[in-house]
Amino acid sequence: EDQVTQSPEALRLQEGESSSLNCSYTVSGLRGLFWYRQDPGKGPEFLFTLYSAGEEKEKERLKATLTKKESFLHITAPKPEDSATYLCAVQSGGSNYKLTFGKGTLLTVNP
Amino acid sequence: EAQVTQNPRYLITVTGKKLTVTCSQNMNHEYMSWYRQDPGLGLRQIYYSMNVEVTDKGDVPEGYKVSRKEKRNFPLILESPSPNQTSLYFCASSFGATRNEQFFGPGTRLTVL
Repeated sequence: EDQVTQSPEALRLQEGESSSLNCSYTVSGLRGLFWYRQDPGKGPEFLFTLYSAGEEKEKERLKATLTKKESFLHITAPKPEDSATYLCAVQSGGSNYKLTFGKGTLLTVNP
Repeated sequence: EAQVTQNPRYLITVTGKKLTVTCSQNMNHEYMSWYRQDPGLGLRQIYYSMNVEVTDKGDVPEGYKVSRKEKRNFPLILESPSPNQTSLYFCASSFGATRNEQFFGPGTRLTVL
């Protein structure tokens, strides 16, 4: 069974204070790892897909990286508008195409 | 505008009264999915569909039914709702099962009394 563990559960940063969120996963062959952002009361919004170890993707202040066991979402010089819950999900290989999400990291960036 | 729509957005019902939550997408996506989100448990997949007439179970399918008769629509059916199905439900769609950047709907908050 696929498993996704995100840490920390909550993170509070000052504006401009860079940090990283962690997503550890266990799958029987990784088809893809996904990062989403979710604002309160809204549906998740897609950020990145990573397919293989060593891959990196960037978007504005966010950078996602992937190893064989975990993924990191690095946030550089965050702003208050980056405050949200960040979700990680995995899709394993084989004939099953279901997605498994982690419980998320609630990020708060104070001005 | 490309979007996933869900109806209703809010619903309060009673135990045992059958209900359907509709989901529609206008992006010609093949893959559609239903999730429930509960505090402390995160987002869990209920059912997914890879194309018309092709559906499969996610992690928490018990008590739910789905159908995919048309590419754009993927309704979620609760034949006999129970209080433990009180939750926030999201529908999502993507181009395909292997290109799975999903677009999510706005959510349906369901309360079963």
